[in-house]
Amino acid sequence: DAMVIQNPRYQVTQFGKPVTLSCSQTLNHNVMYWYQQKSSQAPKLLFHYYDKDFNNEADTPDNFQSRRPNTSFCFLDIRSPGLGDAAMYLCATSRDRAGRLFGYTFGSGTRLTVV
Amino acid sequence: DQQVKQNSPSLSVQEGRISILNCDYTNSMFDYFLWYKKYPAEGPTFLISISSIKDKNEDGRFTVFLNKSAKHLSLHIVPSQPGDSAVYFCAASDDSGSRLTFGEGTQLTVNP
Repeated sequence: DAMVIQNPRYQVTQFGKPVTLSCSQTLNHNVMYWYQQKSSQAPKLLFHYYDKDFNNEADTPDNFQSRRPNTSFCFLDIRSPGLGDAAMYLCATSRDRAGRLFGYTFGSGTRLTVV
Repeated sequence: DQQVKQNSPSLSVQEGRISILNCDYTNSMFDYFLWYKKYPAEGPTFLISISSIKDKNEDGRFTVFLNKSAKHLSLHIVPSQPGDSAVYFCAASDDSGSRLTFGEGTQLTVNP
């Protein structure tokens, strides 16, 4: 089945130690998104790639970066994780702007714990 | 500022009855609205959407109503089933791009 896969499902990292979360998709969607969701809060868009074009949200901290080496893969890099970065990180995909009406396809998420 | 708000963190209903989940928004530029369902340990899954040119969209047991003047939308589930127990997110988008803005979610519990 075509899907969005996030690895790992659970990630524990040390305060200040760089960490990378990965997302892959078999849907051949050209848009990929990274959302951060803290407990009982709305998922918050960090950035998205529209094809190779990177679109950063204005309030996304510089500590968060992303790479998309090809259509199928997208990575979220946290350069120096703080305790406040502990959250569920959700990757999603869509075809062009069709996600506005037909929704995104989400992965199962990576829960990040910072110790 | 939270442009999409779901003011009820939780809702509990009896099996077979109607579930009504509510969502309010502040951005008048939003023109598409979506509902997602999320089970524990899974990502959100798309449920139903509505364009701002409509006031109702129905898909089986799920109906979304949009009241543009009140900037309010609701999701009706009839009849509710225990398998509908999940967190429901409201989301909205405007014409500026492909991004979705989400609400905080409402935990629906359907009791047998």
